[in-house]
Amino acid sequence: GAVVSQHPSRVICKSGTSVKIECRSLDFQATTMFWYRQFPKQSLMLMATSNEGSKATYEQGVEKDKFLINHASLTLSTLTVTSAHPEDSSFYICSARPLARSNTGELFFGEGSRLTVL
Amino acid sequence: AQSVTQLGSHVSVSEGALVLLRCNYSSSVPPYLFWYVQYPNQGLQLLLKYTTGATLVKGINGFEAEFKKSETSFHLTKPSAHMSDAAEYFCAVSQGAQKLVFGQGTRLTINP
Repeated sequence: GAVVSQHPSRVICKSGTSVKIECRSLDFQATTMFWYRQFPKQSLMLMATSNEGSKATYEQGVEKDKFLINHASLTLSTLTVTSAHPEDSSFYICSARPLARSNTGELFFGEGSRLTVL
Repeated sequence: AQSVTQLGSHVSVSEGALVLLRCNYSSSVPPYLFWYVQYPNQGLQLLLKYTTGATLVKGINGFEAEFKKSETSFHLTKPSAHMSDAAEYFCAVSQGAQKLVFGQGTRLTINP
């Protein structure tokens, strides 16, 4: 149980275009989802916390207008990279916290999405 | 504020040898502790977790970790390394429902 699906796993786009990444909890409900960015051989950097039905909370230094997050249901959160540039190329990972385990901090992670901006 | 320190960004052991990945944390309240594993180009998979109760926690793939409050440590061990254990390992800490804070990761290499 506790499967998180992320799509697409790989995406290549031209500079200036927008890209949407979906994160779905397949077998549980998640009021909170998290979006991370990971550079090669580095740890995960939290970008934002996505709460169902409300605005996302962004970490310091993350541009909210650049990285649009929508959490419209208890099983789906989306990250849209707007007007993407080569420096946005990275591995983006989402995670979800099961409603039933919200007090433990435990997260389940998606498979990640590798974005390459040409 | 919470923080996690993983000692050694790269650990190399021989196949069949003991694996020891070190993790120390800082937390103002009793923490919840986690170890995750990441294979190349994949997300993170939970290996094991400590929330309350028994301080020696057993996880998947033969890994275990012991919560030592006096040492603020949560080291990950496996008695006998297998080639398939080669991956990146992340220690993480949270305080209840707060966000997870990750260590910098340790890359484990297994030598044949």
